[in-house]
Amino acid sequence: QLHLQESGPGLVKPSETLSLTCIVSGDSVSSGNDYWDWIRQSPGKGLEWIGSIFYTGTAYYNPSLMNRVSISIDTSKDEFSLNLNSVTAADTAIYYCARRTQKIFGVVINLFDSWGQGTLVTVSS
Amino acid sequence: DILMTQSPSSLSASVGDRVTITCRSSQSISGYLNWFQQKPGKAPEALIYATSSLPSGVPSRFSGGGSGTEFTLTISNLQPEDFATYYCQQSYSRPLTFGPGTKVDMK
Repeated sequence: QLHLQESGPGLVKPSETLSLTCIVSGDSVSSGNDYWDWIRQSPGKGLEWIGSIFYTGTAYYNPSLMNRVSISIDTSKDEFSLNLNSVTAADTAIYYCARRTQKIFGVVINLFDSWGQGTLVTVSS
Repeated sequence: DILMTQSPSSLSASVGDRVTITCRSSQSISGYLNWFQQKPGKAPEALIYATSSLPSGVPSRFSGGGSGTEFTLTISNLQPEDFATYYCQQSYSRPLTFGPGTKVDMK
């Protein structure tokens, strides 16, 4: 049974860096068929895809955050991390990590099929 | 970016009703359309992938259809546990984008 758990500070000061880690259990981040993604949800902007990473370290980011975001992966620990710098109040949101399955029976689906419970991060001084 | 819209933004229904939610994309997404259900305080859960396929464990009263730029989610015989917010999401191209959601509440 796959389980994802976000961890990190719930309060970040403006202009500082938001750092979160997602610990994966019940599966390996090196499985080869999956991407590991970060998604956030705020009342103002709804659900927003932040970016994703493959076990090889190849990462993709939402252009709206491209110059502030980085995602990394540690295959030895089965965890992946999000860094978002120069945060403002607009970055206040629930942050989710998720597994995105690329294919089922050879068919490309790109489905977020497992999610962490989410962690609220508030940007405030 | 591909813009996703949903209608209605909310609806009220009764147990046993048939409910249909529409999702539109700003360009063709070739069937790469997923649906999620979210209950208060919980993460979204996958409901339908690739327009009309159900992940294991999703009840058959949920169905999806459509093509091109217009897609639907139908819940037949609405159950008490189905009162929730529903989101569509395109997986055709990056950045992956979600619709704004449709809240289904009790009439």
